Amino acid sequence: AQSVTQLDSQVPVFEEAPVELRCNYSSSVSVYLFWYVQYPNQGLQLLLKYLSGSTLVKGINGFEAEFNKSQTSFHLRKPSVHISDTAEYFCAVIGGATNKLIFGTGTLLAVQP
Amino acid sequence: GAVVSQHPSRVICKSGTSVKIECRSLDFQATTMFWYRQFPKQSLMLMATSNEGSKATYEQGVEKDKFLINHASLTLSTLTVTSAHPEDSSFYICSARTGIAYGYTFGSGTRLTVV
Repeated sequence: AQSVTQLDSQVPVFEEAPVELRCNYSSSVSVYLFWYVQYPNQGLQLLLKYLSGSTLVKGINGFEAEFNKSQTSFHLRKPSVHISDTAEYFCAVIGGATNKLIFGTGTLLAVQP
Repeated sequence: GAVVSQHPSRVICKSGTSVKIECRSLDFQATTMFWYRQFPKQSLMLMATSNEGSKATYEQGVEKDKFLINHASLTLSTLTVTSAHPEDSSFYICSARTGIAYGYTFGSGTRLTVV
């Protein structure tokens, strides 16, 4: 079965500093990986996704992620964060024949002035 | 494009009553929709997969008689929480596959409070 692990429940960072949100996945078959952002009391918005091809994926709002098959990771990065990036970030996976999105536990990015 | 509209955004109901939540795909046809439940400060837990014209597939541990899902058209799926109790209070989110490169679009969620 597919699963994702987000080790950090909360990541505090100062404005304009770089940030990395970690995501590791577990799957015995090829995977498709996603990062979503959720603002309070709202649905989820897709930041980026990896389906195939280049392992460095660029998304919206200046975020990017790198797929690392050997380390089974898909960490999200941004070189300089803004206050408005404060939100919950979820890593998700689809694997094998299923078309279900399976989410990690989420990481709260708390950007401080 | 690929917008999913979810209503209501908030609902308060009395214990024992039923509540219906609607999820509509506005500009595309969604043969498959998903319903999630999210507890405060927790992840999204998949409740069921809804397929147009057929019965929903529920995840293990989800009471199908309590959470009724209907997907009668290519643009509408509904979740009805029957005989709601305070423990059913939660944030419910729907999602639809857009059919483009594993695209999934989410509704804005429904905050259900049972009193």
